[in-house]
Amino acid sequence: GQQVMQIPQYQHVQEGEDFTTYCNSSTTLSNIQWYKQRPGGHPVFLIQLVKSGEVKKQKRLTFQFGEAKKNSSLHITATQTTDVGTYFCSYSGAGSYQLTFGKGTKLSVIP
Amino acid sequence: DAGVIQSPRHEVTEMGQEVTLRCKPISGHNSLFWYRQTMMRGLELLIYFNNNVPIDDSGMPEDRFSAKMPNASFSTLKIQPSEPRDSAVYFCASSRTSYEQYFGPGTRLTVT
Repeated sequence: GQQVMQIPQYQHVQEGEDFTTYCNSSTTLSNIQWYKQRPGGHPVFLIQLVKSGEVKKQKRLTFQFGEAKKNSSLHITATQTTDVGTYFCSYSGAGSYQLTFGKGTKLSVIP
Repeated sequence: DAGVIQSPRHEVTEMGQEVTLRCKPISGHNSLFWYRQTMMRGLELLIYFNNNVPIDDSGMPEDRFSAKMPNASFSTLKIQPSEPRDSAVYFCASSRTSYEQYFGPGTRLTVT
C-alpha cells in the first residue's frame, strides 16, 4: 500500500546546529502530520499540513508541505538537547481516521 | 484531563500465556486506536474503533490477537497464546478528529 519514506533514519548534530528531516511519498497526499516521540515516551502530535506549499512555524520548528503534496519537511533551527527524539510523519486518507506512520528520523543532539 | 490511560505499563510473560492490555481513552473522544511499535517494523496500526465499533482490523497480525471496546471508556487488546515475536510496545491512542491522536504511555510487553 501507500507509504511514506523518511530520511535520514538517524541524525546526530552538535547543539546549536540546524536539523532537517524529510518525508516523501510516491503519490499525492491529502494531508500530513508530524509527531515527536521522546526516548522512552509516546508520540505527541506537533502539527498538520493540508494545503499545497503550506508553511507553518512553531518557535524554532518550521514545517513545510510540498507544492505537489508529495513531500514534507521539518526543520529545526539551532537545536537544543530538548529536541532529542524521533520525529514521525504520518498521513490519513481522505475521510479516514486511520493514520499511516513513516519509520521516523531519530535525532541525537550532542551538548 | 488525565490523558489516555494504559495498563499495565510493563508485562513480562511466558510464551503460551494469555496477555490482556487495557486502555481508557480521553473522555469525549470517539475514535480509539491500538498500535504496536518495534525497532524493525516501526509504528503499526493494529485496529481502530469509531464510536465503539471496530472499523478496520486489517493490521491485526493473526487470530491470536483480538480487541474489544465494550463501551466508550474502555478497550482491551488480548493476545492468546503469546509468542516471543509479540514482544513490543503497545500504544493506545484516542482522537476526536482524524489527525490529532493522543497516545497513552504504552505497555512494554516481553514474551519469553
